[in-house]
Amino acid sequence: SQKIEQNSEALNIQEGKTATLTCNYTNYSPAYLQWYRQDPGRGPVFLLLIRENEKEKRKERLKVTFDTTLKQSLFHITASQPADSATYLCALPPYSSASKIIFGSGTRLSIRP
Amino acid sequence: EAGVAQSPRYKIIEKRQSVAFWCNPISGHATLYWYQQILGQGPKLLIQFQNNGVVDDSQLPKDRFSAERLKGVDSTLKIQPAKLEDSAVYLCASSLVGGLAVYNEQFFGPGTRLTVL
Repeated sequence: SQKIEQNSEALNIQEGKTATLTCNYTNYSPAYLQWYRQDPGRGPVFLLLIRENEKEKRKERLKVTFDTTLKQSLFHITASQPADSATYLCALPPYSSASKIIFGSGTRLSIRP
Repeated sequence: EAGVAQSPRYKIIEKRQSVAFWCNPISGHATLYWYQQILGQGPKLLIQFQNNGVVDDSQLPKDRFSAERLKGVDSTLKIQPAKLEDSAVYLCASSLVGGLAVYNEQFFGPGTRLTVL
């Protein structure tokens, strides 16, 4: 069956460093992958979408890569700030449907000043 | 542009009671989703509507959960009777188009935190 795995442990890094979060999936090849940010007590907020034929996508300090051979996406935040502290979720469509997405369990990121 | 509205924000009930949640999506969004998010997990899709028709309810526990989207706008999600394991945050999301338009981002409401005692 399909599985999405994100770093289960929280990631703590120093302000100014690059944070790298991992999303691994198994058992199929999605057409795209999305990344969301979720703050405590709030719903997820869409950040980026990357398609299967794109290797890399950037938005301001965010960079996402998509390696369909490794079945992995990496999410990078450069020059990290305490305000970047949140849980980051990856999401991708299941093989059975292209119109819905399945979320990973998320990685909690803490940026210390 | 107003976001997705949900109410109530918090609800505490005893097991075997019933509860209803309301969602008002972003104006013009055809697709509406209800998710259940248990603490420490990602959101799990319960039901997806396209206008007022159900697209996917494969993970909705239909013996106790029901949802409707009258007139293709607002939606309600009901649990009757509630169980302890239903304690979670219930998130509503909407997207401009669903179905074959596969790249739509979803806009989430703040969620309703349900505690079942």
